[in-house]
Amino acid sequence: QKEVEQNSGPLSVPEGAIASLNCTYSDRVSQSFFWYRQYSGKSPELIMSIYSNGDKEDGRFTAQLNKASQYVSLLIRDSQPSDSATYLCAVSPGSGANSKLTFGKGITLSVRP
Amino acid sequence: KAGVTQTPRYLIKTRGQQVTLSCSPISGHRSVSWYQQTPGQGLQFLFEYFSETQRNKGNFPGRFSGRQFSNSRSEMNVSTLELGDSALYLCASSLEGGTLYEQYFGPGTRLTVT
Repeated sequence: QKEVEQNSGPLSVPEGAIASLNCTYSDRVSQSFFWYRQYSGKSPELIMSIYSNGDKEDGRFTAQLNKASQYVSLLIRDSQPSDSATYLCAVSPGSGANSKLTFGKGITLSVRP
Repeated sequence: KAGVTQTPRYLIKTRGQQVTLSCSPISGHRSVSWYQQTPGQGLQFLFEYFSETQRNKGNFPGRFSGRQFSNSRSEMNVSTLELGDSALYLCASSLEGGTLYEQYFGPGTRLTVT
């Protein structure tokens, strides 16, 4: 059973702090990694994708990938109340045209003003 | 560019009935995937269609089926509805499918089975 695990939440941080969200995956052949943000009652919104080991920065968001340790993380700098949402980690395998995404259960982030 | 659209947005059905959900992908996207989201199970993959062919399938019973048309629009059908089918059904489109292409979700169809 290929699994994606996200660290237990909920996570609460004060406004302006760094929020760190972690995710581990079991399928070693995974090649594509995504972070989605989902506000309550809405659909998931893609915020970051990462395919190579290392860091990828986009504004206040940084995704980090370590394939050897099978983990991917998302850092949110200068957290804002508008960042309060559920964050979903998703992993896609690397064989052929298989675009199936396996999602973690998500972690709920609350940013306190 | 318009995003992924899904119709209807909300649906209430009775056990034993069947339902058809529709998804229109982002213009130019040829891959459409369907997911079921419930509070207990989270987001689970149903199936993916590419060029009118089902390319991948998740672990759902045969009551769940789908198809894709030549314009890439897709429909999902659930027959003999059960109470446990109540969920948010999401479709996502991507350019080509495959591992390197990002998937973008539509707003979802909220299905309630009574």
